[in-house]
Amino acid sequence: DGGITQSPKYLFRKEGQNVTLSCEQNLNHDAMYWYRQDPGQGLRLIYYSQIVNDFQKGDIAEGYSVSREKKESFPLTVTSAQKNPTAFYLCASSIRGRPNTPRETQYFGPGTRLLVL
Amino acid sequence: KQEVTQIPAALSVPEGENLVLNCSFTDSAIYNLQWFRQDPGKGLTSLLLIQSSQREQTSGRLNASLDKSSGRSTLYIAASQPGDSATYLCAVSWGSGNTPLVFGKGTRLSVIA
Repeated sequence: DGGITQSPKYLFRKEGQNVTLSCEQNLNHDAMYWYRQDPGQGLRLIYYSQIVNDFQKGDIAEGYSVSREKKESFPLTVTSAQKNPTAFYLCASSIRGRPNTPRETQYFGPGTRLLVL
Repeated sequence: KQEVTQIPAALSVPEGENLVLNCSFTDSAIYNLQWFRQDPGKGLTSLLLIQSSQREQTSGRLNASLDKSSGRSTLYIAASQPGDSATYLCAVSWGSGNTPLVFGKGTRLSVIA
């Protein structure tokens, strides 16, 4: 089945620890995104990547880092510099418009919930 | 600043009622607008996408309209069912070519049987 997978479903971080959230897609999509969702809030953009080996900061990039070495993968590292990391993290991907395909619809993974110990 | 606002934040209706969810956005030069559904603790499911050149899109009991000049979109749900209970998010793209979405905070819908 084609889709986006995120792992783990739950992640616990200790003070001063870096943790990495995984995002993989087999949809052959060009672009991938990381959003953060806090309770009762919409999604806010952390980083996005339109092509391999290139990525741009979003509105709340401080304390996070990413890499895009493969088209299928876009891991997010939450560093110790991120002082309030508790949130629900969502990864998404999209492709340029094709005939008979909704243009640039973003498809989302199931999310990772990060909690601080 | 490009922003998206959704009203109301929460809505409770009896089963069978038709309802409208509202979304407004600053800057009418949008590329497209998407409506998503989110169940508690889950990811987002795309419901409808409206391109800037379109006025509405329909899928089953859902109809989304777009009025760029007034900076508004509505999601109409006909004959609501308890299974429609979820949070509905509106998101706007202001750039072409795989650009990020700007999200509203969502409307939490409860359909009471």
